[in-house]
Amino acid sequence: EDKVVQSPLSLVVHEGDTVTLNCSYEVTNFRSLLWYKQEKKAPTFLFMLTSSGIEKKSGRLSSILDKKELFSILNITATQTGDSAIYLCAVKWGAGNMLTFGGGTRLMVKP
Amino acid sequence: DTEVTQTPKHLVMGMTNKKSLKCEQHMGHRAMYWYKQKAKKPPELMFVYSYEKLSINESVPSRFSPECPNSSLLNLHLHALQPEDSALYLCASSQDGAGFNEQFFGPGTRLTVL
Repeated sequence: EDKVVQSPLSLVVHEGDTVTLNCSYEVTNFRSLLWYKQEKKAPTFLFMLTSSGIEKKSGRLSSILDKKELFSILNITATQTGDSAIYLCAVKWGAGNMLTFGGGTRLMVKP
Repeated sequence: DTEVTQTPKHLVMGMTNKKSLKCEQHMGHRAMYWYKQKAKKPPELMFVYSYEKLSINESVPSRFSPECPNSSLLNLHLHALQPEDSALYLCASSQDGAGFNEQFFGPGTRLTVL
């Protein structure tokens, strides 16, 4: 069965810590992997990854994809309370434009 | 304009009502999506329109009826809903239906069915 699994389910850290969020997937005809941040309402797009080994970076956030081992990580350095959110990983796959989300990682950053 | 807009922001309806959710984008995107999100769960795909044609219906009950009048607009018509249909309804768009384009989400419509 195709699936996207994120770990950990939840994480509590203090400001300034570095966190690593994981996303593993098993899909047929993989196309891309996307990371989103969701606070109160709609997800905010962070990264889209299509190629293995190429790190994408935006400020304190970075992400990389390993298509051989079928996983991606999202790193956040020097965390701030504003980073508190649910981080969603989603995989686009198949010819039919399917997008499957993982269950999300709930991150809480304490002052 | 890099925004997907949705109206209304909140909607409360009875089980016998008929209402519609609206979604609009002016990014020239040719694929548009409806998702349903329950509390503390990730979004579930409902429908995909590609070039104004319905390309995916994820076994959604017929009380939800999507419509794509043109490439910028996407509607979701609601009729005879159940209380368990209460959720956040998210609209998204992407450049086209190919797998390499990121999806941009609207803020959602919070629906409550009484």
